[in-house]
Amino acid sequence: GQQLNQSPQSMFIQEGEDVSMNCTSSSIFNTWLWYKQDPGEGPVLLIALYKAGELTSNGRLTAQFGITRKDSFLNISASIPSDVGIYFCAGQNAGGTSYGKLTFGQGTILTVHP
Amino acid sequence: DAGVIQSPRHEVTEMGQEVTLRCKPISGHDYLFWYRQTMMRGLELLIYFNNNVPIDDSGMPEDRFSAKMPNASFSTLKIQPSEPRDSAVYFCATLDRGGTEAFFGQGTRLTVV
Repeated sequence: GQQLNQSPQSMFIQEGEDVSMNCTSSSIFNTWLWYKQDPGEGPVLLIALYKAGELTSNGRLTAQFGITRKDSFLNISASIPSDVGIYFCAGQNAGGTSYGKLTFGQGTILTVHP
Repeated sequence: DAGVIQSPRHEVTEMGQEVTLRCKPISGHDYLFWYRQTMMRGLELLIYFNNNVPIDDSGMPEDRFSAKMPNASFSTLKIQPSEPRDSAVYFCATLDRGGTEAFFGQGTRLTVV
């Protein structure tokens, strides 16, 4: 089946620093998504990417859909304490019986020290 | 809309007991997914439904697990009999046809002792 490798597994940073995490896949996806999970909550969508090469920003977040459609990265600039949580990449294919089915990476645990 | 509603939020049960987890999807969403989250395996898709019909149950770990969606506003995930290795957080998520964003519930934390 499809596998997503997400790195790093965890990060410990100082408030104000920039963060970068990435995901690679053994197969292509039509859509890449980045989710954040706060403690005790379900994942919430941060950014969705629909086209190879697409670069999208959402406030301090920037994400890119790799040209090969097998990778994506997420950058967080000027981190703040509320950025703490687990970040997941997810791949999705739009066609056929797999519509809507998300394959998740293992997650990156982010800790921000004030 | 109140979002995806799961119940209970926490469940502690003894090994061998039957456990039923419940999910109320967002009204109008055609797709419903059940995920399991553990430290070791991350987020795993167990099963998903389209218009109340199971589409892919290849992620269901064993025959002890079963899921139903009797109507568009309710789904259950049942484990019978439960085992300690079933301890995890179980999420329900729903998606609108033509949409991309899957909305997750707050999850049910299951502990089997």
